Amino acid sequence: EIVLTQSPATLSLSPGERATLSCRASQSVSRYLAWYQQKPGQAPRLLIYDASNRATGIPGRFSGSGSGTDFTLTISSLEPEDFAVYYCQQRSNWPSGTFGQGTKLEIK
Amino acid sequence: QVQLQESGPGLVKPSQTLSLTCTVSGGSISSGGYYWSWIRQHPGKALEWIGYIYYSGSTYYSPSLKSRVTISVETSKNQFSLKLSSVTAADTAVYYCARENCSGLTCYLGYWGQGTLVTVSS
Repeated sequence: EIVLTQSPATLSLSPGERATLSCRASQSVSRYLAWYQQKPGQAPRLLIYDASNRATGIPGRFSGSGSGTDFTLTISSLEPEDFAVYYCQQRSNWPSGTFGQGTKLEIK
Repeated sequence: QVQLQESGPGLVKPSQTLSLTCTVSGGSISSGGYYWSWIRQHPGKALEWIGYIYYSGSTYYSPSLKSRVTISVETSKNQFSLKLSSVTAADTAVYYCARENCSGLTCYLGYWGQGTLVTVSS
């Protein structure tokens, strides 16, 4: 089973700052990695698929990069609505779809 | 706009079977290229993929839950369902249904239901 490790577990930043979230896979997943955002009491929302493709309607301040085992989600300038939990999910050994444990982005 | 809505009992007794239904609107469950999925989230924890079904009836389950999970589809009602047998308190979670878009090797969960909390307790 492919294990995804996200870091840090919690990231404390202020609005306007740049956020960098990491997701590391236990083996190569090529570029088949997605990122989701989840706010309290809500379902996750797709942000990025195939490592770097923004989903429809996702603001340009969200970007994804990486391939193989190391991936990054970057939020260039944090807006108040961006404080949430972020999950990565690998799609390399589809249909299995393991998720990372999440990174909580909180207001400093 | 595709919408998904979970329904089913919010309380299940230990050792019984958890049963949930997801009703899809705004699109046909019989459309090709989509895999109808169940994901769960234990309180305060990460997401856990449970399994998928294709409209044809083909299914794929998480290895850790495979022995207890059954996912079925009813195309005439535009619904798909989850059954999880022999539940314990460890199965208490919010259960989400979702639609996975797949094109070649590119797959992602594009639409989600709002989720439903299922508590296992006597």
